[in-house]
Amino acid sequence: GAVVSQHPSRVICKSGTSVKIECRSLDFQATTMFWYRQFPKQSLMLMATSNEGSKATYEQGVEKDKFLINHASLTLSTLTVTSAHPEDSSFYICSASPGQPHEQYFGPGTRLTVT
Amino acid sequence: EDQVTQSPEALRLQEGESSSLNCSYTVSGLRGLFWYRQDPGKGPEFLFTLYSAGEEKEKERLKATLTKKESFLHITAPKPEDSATYLCAVQVTDSWGKLQFGAGTQVVVTP
Repeated sequence: GAVVSQHPSRVICKSGTSVKIECRSLDFQATTMFWYRQFPKQSLMLMATSNEGSKATYEQGVEKDKFLINHASLTLSTLTVTSAHPEDSSFYICSASPGQPHEQYFGPGTRLTVT
Repeated sequence: EDQVTQSPEALRLQEGESSSLNCSYTVSGLRGLFWYRQDPGKGPEFLFTLYSAGEEKEKERLKATLTKKESFLHITAPKPEDSATYLCAVQVTDSWGKLQFGAGTQVVVTP
């Protein structure tokens, strides 16, 4: 149990285009979802926290207009990278929590490459 | 400012050679300390959560311990399949669910 999926697993896009990444909790309802970014050889950095039906809370330094997060249902959150640039190339990972703060299950990640 | 520091950055072990990874932390208030395993190109896989000093947890060849300032992940008689990056993360009491990660320790176990 407690499976989180992400789609796509890899995406390559041209500079200036937008990319949407989906995060789904497959066998539980996720009241809270988190989005992380991981650059090569570095650790995970939290970008934002989203609760179903409300606006996401972004970490300091993360541009909310560039990284649009929608948590429309208890099983789906999306991250849209708008007007992507090469510096946005990274590994994006989501996690989902069914309700307890110590319970958090990670997705397999999405590799974004912006050319 | 909350900080999480892992050492060493990288560790190369022979199969069967036991060792320990360190995670030192400075936080305003600790709700929990988490250990994850991450394989290349994949998301973190949960290993343990520790909540209070003196707590220990074990799973197969791994054992995690916690003090008021640091946590250790002991790998006993490792096998090549234990090769991975091990991540430590803290959750502080005034931030619901948010995890602050250390940089990780990359472990390579050779036959």
